[in-house]
Amino acid sequence: AQKVTQTQTSISVMEKTTVTMDCVYETRDSSYFLFWYKQTASGEIVFLIRQDSYKKENATEGHYSLNFQKPKSSIGLIITATQIEDSAVYFCAMREGDSGTYQRFGTGTKLQVVP
Amino acid sequence: GPKVLQIPSHQIIDMGQMVTLNCDPVSNHLYFYWYKQILGQQMEFLVNFYNGKVMEKSKLFKDQFSVERPDGSYFTLKIQPTALEDSAVYFCASSPRDWGQNTLYFGAGTRLSVL
Repeated sequence: AQKVTQTQTSISVMEKTTVTMDCVYETRDSSYFLFWYKQTASGEIVFLIRQDSYKKENATEGHYSLNFQKPKSSIGLIITATQIEDSAVYFCAMREGDSGTYQRFGTGTKLQVVP
Repeated sequence: GPKVLQIPSHQIIDMGQMVTLNCDPVSNHLYFYWYKQILGQQMEFLVNFYNGKVMEKSKLFKDQFSVERPDGSYFTLKIQPTALEDSAVYFCASSPRDWGQNTLYFGAGTRLSVL
């Protein structure tokens, strides 16, 4: 069965620095898709970035990038030059490519960016 | 970007009553999902839906729960009767296809309070 784990409950960083949020996953499928979403204080959930398991290159999207370490079943989210408005809860999610019909989410990491 | 609308944003009901949560998915999307979030924590998958049928449901999708989308109108989650443990924020999501790499578009959520 698939499982997604985010061990960091809360992180606080200074504005304009780089932060990495961890996520590890478990799956038996050879093909799978990994996602990061952001939930703002208002509750809105937005998609940030995706990594396909068959791609070796780390995905990047604006000031978001991923650190995909397949042998370790790890998909870290890196935010560079953090801004106050990056303060939110970040969720990692996985969908199995062969047998999955939905995305399973981790428990989330609360990021606070301070001036 | 594409918007998923959820109505109402907050619903307060007495235990044992019936409640219907409404979701207006993105217009050209075909796949619909309900997730449950308690206390801003993990997003738990409840059910997904396509072409008038439930594709998969989780253990959280109790017998008291049902979903439908009559004639292309709202995608609804009905709980009858409600229980105290049903208090949570319920998020509706949609995606255009059932490809594993498709991201989910979320609504703003309906906060359900069962008294």
